[in-house]
Amino acid sequence: DQQVKQNSPSLSVQEGRISILNCDYTNSMFDYFLWYKKYPAEGPTFLISISSIKDKNEDGRFTVFLNKSAKHLSLHIVPSQPGDSAVYFCAASEELMNYGGSQGNLIFGKGTKLSVKP
Amino acid sequence: DVKVTQSSRYLVKRTGEKVFLECVQDMDHENMFWYRQDPGLGLRLIYFSYDVKMKEKGDIPEGYSVSREKKERFSLILESASTNQTSMYLCASRDRGTYEQYFGPGTRLTVT
Repeated sequence: DQQVKQNSPSLSVQEGRISILNCDYTNSMFDYFLWYKKYPAEGPTFLISISSIKDKNEDGRFTVFLNKSAKHLSLHIVPSQPGDSAVYFCAASEELMNYGGSQGNLIFGKGTKLSVKP
Repeated sequence: DVKVTQSSRYLVKRTGEKVFLECVQDMDHENMFWYRQDPGLGLRLIYFSYDVKMKEKGDIPEGYSVSREKKERFSLILESASTNQTSMYLCASRDRGTYEQYFGPGTRLTVT
């Protein structure tokens, strides 16, 4: 059963416009959410994160919004640039404990491929 | 900068061969992970380790084993490679007390 869902496998946006990537989750114990960006033949790189105590986090052109009641988060990229074309993964984690085990492990969505056209 | 390196970017092996994928991180992270990425399936956790000599199964451990003899090194072993293990393999590490995982560049493994 998928705990983190990215229902759009792909998204195409014009350069300069807004890109909105969506992510839904089912586990109410998730406490922290991250977005990763992945280019072909490279490892994912961390983009932005948000704690469950917040509803918005912004870093330059990237903003993540969290709606806990709807179990939904979104990544906004404004303005979109051709270099943003990549696969974006949403990930979630339960609250991190400082001892061993699976606490803090990330559950990833299947990804959304963003294409930004010049 | 955190650096996670993987021993090979591309690897081609024959069915039945024993395959070793090596991962090294230079930031003294306690936690290390092995994932595989397949189109349409996202990142799936194979094994993880939260300390030296400790290992735990992830979501898809069948056909794989791991070894962590030193803190900085986490090895993934395919005892007898099969064609359905053709995939992109990603190693990651994470510091204790943080959520963010740092990924290596990946190994594209093809089993023929």
